[in-house]
Amino acid sequence: AQSVSQHNHHVILSEAASLELGCNYSYGGTVNLFWYVQYPGQHLQLLLKYFSGDPLVKGIKGFEAEFIKSKFSFNLRKPSVQWSDTAEYFCAVNPYNNDMRFGAGTRLTVKP
Amino acid sequence: SAVISQKPSRDICQRGTSLTIQCQVDSQVTMMFWYRQQPGQSLTLIATANQGSEATYESGFVIDKFPISRPNLTFSTLTVSNMSPEDSSIYLCSVEGDTGELFFGEGSRLTVL
Repeated sequence: AQSVSQHNHHVILSEAASLELGCNYSYGGTVNLFWYVQYPGQHLQLLLKYFSGDPLVKGIKGFEAEFIKSKFSFNLRKPSVQWSDTAEYFCAVNPYNNDMRFGAGTRLTVKP
Repeated sequence: SAVISQKPSRDICQRGTSLTIQCQVDSQVTMMFWYRQQPGQSLTLIATANQGSEATYESGFVIDKFPISRPNLTFSTLTVSNMSPEDSSIYLCSVEGDTGELFFGEGSRLTVL
């Protein structure tokens, strides 16, 4: 079945550590890719998106993600996390002419 | 961007009752989407609501259980009918932006006893 897979359910890091959250998808053809973040008690917000062009995309708050077509992956990265990055992160895929599909989410806890 | 308001933000309901969730957008949009986020799980699309036509439901969701109204381009409602504890979830309204991203409301957290 077509799906979006996030490899880590819960990640715990100390401040200043580097972050990489994995995301793989199984849809073929053209896809649009997104990372959303949900801070505690808040609504989902868009972190970054990829439609075409440079496979390394930069988003808000120092996040970036790299689209690797051959690996069907769109991993999220941040060189140095802060306590305020504690949140749930969702990878999402919008297959061409189809509806947005979300991964299961990764909960990030950053310890001060 | 779009600002989306949902009511109620949370509710506790009895088994067998129904609850209607309202979604108001600050701009006119063609499509509105209703998602469910069950505890510890990801977002699952329930249905897509277009103004002036019947909502389109995803596999596993039916109109009798989740009737949707879309009376105009800024408003939609989702009703959760004949609720059971399995319906306890966060229900999210969303709209699509100009470049394909989704904007979400803050969600309606429903607990069914």
